[in-house]
Amino acid sequence: AQSVTQLGSHVSVSEGALVLLRCNYSSSVPPYLFWYVQYPNQGLQLLLKYTSAATLVKGINGFEAEFKKSETSFHLTKPSAHMSDAAEYFCAVRRDMGRRALTFGSGTRLQVQP
Amino acid sequence: NAGVTQTPKFRILKIGQSMTLQCTQDMNHNYMYWYRQDPGMGLKLIYYSVGAGITDKGEVPNGYNVSRSTTEDFPLRLELAAPSQTSVYFCASSSIRDSYSNQPQHFGDGTRLSIL
Repeated sequence: AQSVTQLGSHVSVSEGALVLLRCNYSSSVPPYLFWYVQYPNQGLQLLLKYTSAATLVKGINGFEAEFKKSETSFHLTKPSAHMSDAAEYFCAVRRDMGRRALTFGSGTRLQVQP
Repeated sequence: NAGVTQTPKFRILKIGQSMTLQCTQDMNHNYMYWYRQDPGMGLKLIYYSVGAGITDKGEVPNGYNVSRSTTEDFPLRLELAAPSQTSVYFCASSSIRDSYSNQPQHFGDGTRLSIL
């Protein structure tokens, strides 16, 4: 079964610093991968999704992620953190084509220090 | 432009009570899902539906029931509330149109449920 592992439950960066949130997947075939963001007391919003067309995926709010098959990774980055980026971020993989449900990582809470 | 709407947003139940969490989507999506989110954990799939009249269990279905009489609605029923069901519940939907693509799921804002 496909799964994702997010390294680091909490990440703290300074405003303007690089954001790097790590996600590794376990899959024997190219997976369908997603990054979602959750702001306090809100539902999940899609940041970006992996398509086989490109290994570097650009999402909303300046975020991007690079699919690396050799490392089975799909890390999320942003060159310069903003205070408004403080939220919880979830990496997810589609588990199977039938039910199309997502398997989520445990999440990484991003804090941005002024 | 409502998307996925969940009601209520907050609820406190006593042990043994029952309730229904409502979920409605206006995007004509065939696929609908219920997840629960516990502190420090990702979302776990409770039940899902691939269309009206069709439902199936997810990873953590015990203590819950669902029905799907229409494309729009996918209510989640708790029959005998237990403290272990204290969680945040999310409903989601996705389209059937892109059979081979990575069509994302659209999420509601969640229902925060406490069982005391």
